[in-house]
Amino acid sequence: DAKTTQPTSMDCAEGRAANLPCNHSTISGNEYVYWYRQIHSQGPQYIIHGLKNNETNEMASLIITEDRKSSTLILPHATLRDTAVYYCIGGKSTFGDGTTLTVKP
Amino acid sequence: NAGVTQTPKFRILKIGQSMTLQCTQDMNHNYMYWYRQDPGMGLKLIYYSVGAGITDKGEVPNGYNVSRSTTEDFPLRLELAAPSQTSVYFCASSSRAWGSTDTQYFGPGTRLTVL
Repeated sequence: DAKTTQPTSMDCAEGRAANLPCNHSTISGNEYVYWYRQIHSQGPQYIIHGLKNNETNEMASLIITEDRKSSTLILPHATLRDTAVYYCIGGKSTFGDGTTLTVKP
Repeated sequence: NAGVTQTPKFRILKIGQSMTLQCTQDMNHNYMYWYRQDPGMGLKLIYYSVGAGITDKGEVPNGYNVSRSTTEDFPLRLELAAPSQTSVYFCASSSRAWGSTDTQYFGPGTRLTVL
């Protein structure tokens, strides 16, 4: 079964960049990498997705390695409101436990 | 568009009772999903549907049933509630298959407690 691996938790100082890694070594060539986040107990919210190229939107940037086995989500200027659980989905993998990001003042 | 709506928001059940969690989407999405999330854990897929009349099991289907008679609705049925089913249940939908170029849109969740 497809599977992703993420660190359990990370801290980041407010205003600094938060870099969240993810390993998705079982991803197939035509499958996308998705990132979602979940604030408190709300439903997960889409952040960004990509296939091969790096992507950027108003929320974040996504860096995908050339072999597509891993990726990094970058929140360029983390705020306290970015404290959440971040899920990386590689291909047909399911959500897993995600990374709890805590942004500290 | 209301997106994905779920009812009820909260429910307390006694062991052995039955209930149906409702999920409706107004985006004309073919794909719909049910997840459960236990405290401090990630989401686990219970069932999913690729279109009206077609459903399939996810990771943790035991104790649940689903049906998909219309594109809009995807109810989740608990027949004999057990304390292990205490969880938050999320419904989601997408226009294309998981893994392809489309996102899942989530509802606000139903918080279920079985005592």
